[in-house]
Amino acid sequence: ELKVEQNPLFLSMQEGKNYTIYCNYSTTSDRLYWYRQDPGKSLESLFVLLSNGAVKQEGRLMASLDTKARLSTLHITAAVHDLSATYFCAVENYGGATNKLIFGTGTLLAVQP
Amino acid sequence: DADVTQTPRNRITKTGKRIMLECSQTKGHDRMYWYRQDPGLGLQLIYYSFDVKDINKGEISDGYSVSRQAQAKFSLSLESAIPNQTALYFCAIRPTGTGANVLTFGAGSRLTVL
Repeated sequence: ELKVEQNPLFLSMQEGKNYTIYCNYSTTSDRLYWYRQDPGKSLESLFVLLSNGAVKQEGRLMASLDTKARLSTLHITAAVHDLSATYFCAVENYGGATNKLIFGTGTLLAVQP
Repeated sequence: DADVTQTPRNRITKTGKRIMLECSQTKGHDRMYWYRQDPGLGLQLIYYSFDVKDINKGEISDGYSVSRQAQAKFSLSLESAIPNQTALYFCAIRPTGTGANVLTFGAGSRLTVL
């Protein structure tokens, strides 16, 4: 059974600082998704990583995937308050006859002035 | 119109009542999903459907049932609601094929069971 773990679960950081959120998963997969959720809102797709070594960047966020280590990272550069949200990774589970996404528990990011 | 529309957005009900959450989509995707979100637990898959005649249980299907009335409509029912079903429920859709196949979520239905 595929397990997805994120850490940290909560991250308080100052504006202008850099930090990384980690997403580990337990079984083989080569597709990983990152989502953002603002308080009380729905989930919005940020990145799709489709192969080993994939790297995607958008503004101050950069995501990467290492399928051999079963690890994805979401790196935040020079954080700003607008990045405050909960970030989820989701891993494609190929078990059985159908594919489905298994989500991590989320990382609540609070960027302080 | 939104790609995925959920109704109601908020609902308060009492223990033992039957409740239905509805989901409709405008993208024509075959794959539809119901997720439940609880604080600190991420999203858990309740049921998913790949076709009108193809319904599958997810991780936490006990106490829930679903109906795929048409390609565009997928409803979630709680036959006899209990307080620990208080949560935020999301419907989502996903395209088929070999591409990125991003999951697109509705705005969510917040359910409170007293």
